[in-house]
Amino acid sequence: EAQVTQNPRYLITVTGKKLTVTCSQNMNHEYMSWYRQDPGLGLRQIYYSMNVEVTDKGDVPEGYKVSRKEKRNFPLILESPSPNQTSLYFCASSLTPTSTQYFGPGTRLLVL
Amino acid sequence: QQQVKQSPQSLIVQKGGISIINCAYENTAFDYFPWYQQFPGKGPALLIAIRPDVSEKKEGRFTISFNKSAKQFSLHIMDSQPGDSATYFCAASANFGNEKLTFGTGTRLTIIP
Repeated sequence: EAQVTQNPRYLITVTGKKLTVTCSQNMNHEYMSWYRQDPGLGLRQIYYSMNVEVTDKGDVPEGYKVSRKEKRNFPLILESPSPNQTSLYFCASSLTPTSTQYFGPGTRLLVL
Repeated sequence: QQQVKQSPQSLIVQKGGISIINCAYENTAFDYFPWYQQFPGKGPALLIAIRPDVSEKKEGRFTISFNKSAKQFSLHIMDSQPGDSATYFCAASANFGNEKLTFGTGTRLTIIP
């Protein structure tokens, strides 16, 4: 089954404790991206990747890091999480930026 | 700066009615306009998309209307059904869609019997 998986689905952590949210897709897609969804703000892109070893900042990259060492994986790293990073995070992948983006199920993060 | 403005924030429509969600954009370089549908607890999913070389695109009960001069586009859901209750996001991208998507703030649609 074609899908995008994210782990964990739910995470509660404390300020400053490094965390990684994993994202994996099995569709051989080149384009992957991370979004955060906040009430009243919609979906905002954090980072995106056009291909392996090619990443670029989206609209709200501050406080986040990503890597794309393999085509299928695109982890999101919060080196020192802060409460303003409490949000719902989505990973997405597609063949190209304009082809259908397939979203993962989301990761709900709470930073205390 | 909100590059894609979406309205209304929430919308209640009676079953069988027409649901209309509007979006306006500022960046004249935008040339790809998709709509995404999101059900509670799920990620968004592409619903329908349009490029500015046409003024309207229809897929089943869903229609996108596009007004290039006004820099506006809208989603129309005909014969709205309770199963259409979801959050809808418009989005836009430039360079024939090869640049990142910018999303609107979303519209929570509720279809009542």
